[in-house]
Amino acid sequence: AQTVTQSQPEMSVQEAETVTLSCTYDTSESDYYLFWYKQPPSRQMILVIRQEAYKQQNATENRFSVNFQKAAKSFSLKISDSQLGDAAMYFCAYKTKGNTPLVFGKGTRLSVIA
Amino acid sequence: EAQVTQNPRYLITVTGKKLTVTCSQNMNHEYMSWYRQDPGLGLRQIYYSMNVEVTDKGDVPEGYKVSRKEKRNFPLILESPSPNQTSLYFCASTALGGLDADTQYFGPGTRLTVL
Repeated sequence: AQTVTQSQPEMSVQEAETVTLSCTYDTSESDYYLFWYKQPPSRQMILVIRQEAYKQQNATENRFSVNFQKAAKSFSLKISDSQLGDAAMYFCAYKTKGNTPLVFGKGTRLSVIA
Repeated sequence: EAQVTQNPRYLITVTGKKLTVTCSQNMNHEYMSWYRQDPGLGLRQIYYSMNVEVTDKGDVPEGYKVSRKEKRNFPLILESPSPNQTSLYFCASTALGGLDADTQYFGPGTRLTVL
């Protein structure tokens, strides 16, 4: 079964600095998707970034970028120029194509220090 | 605006009193699902639906029912709620094709407390 591991239960970063959240996963599939979701105190699940496994280019969305290492099964999220609004729980998630559920990691709680 | 809506957002009820949490999406997505989120257990899938009249169990289906009579709606039904169903519930929808294929978009969540 696929598993997703986030080894950092909590992280903190100074405002305007850069932080990297780690995620590793286990799968025998070759084609799949990886995601980072943000859950702020409002508890809404917000899609941050999406990566298709067959694409070698790392996905970016404004201040958010990933380092996707397929051979190592690693998918880290880098947040640049951190802002107070980035404070949230961040979940890494994995999904194969089609009729399959998202598999979530346990999350990393990010604090941003002014 | 493309979105997934859930109602109610907050609900406090008593054991055994049937309730329904509605979910609706306006993105014409085929795939819809329900998750519950509990501290220390993360998000777990309850039920999912690939299309109208097609539903199937997820990881934790006991005590829940769903229906998919229309493509846009996917209600979650608790026939006889119990305290162990106190949780945060999310509905999500997914396109099975296109540029954002397999990307799940979540509703705002429903906080349910069963006394």
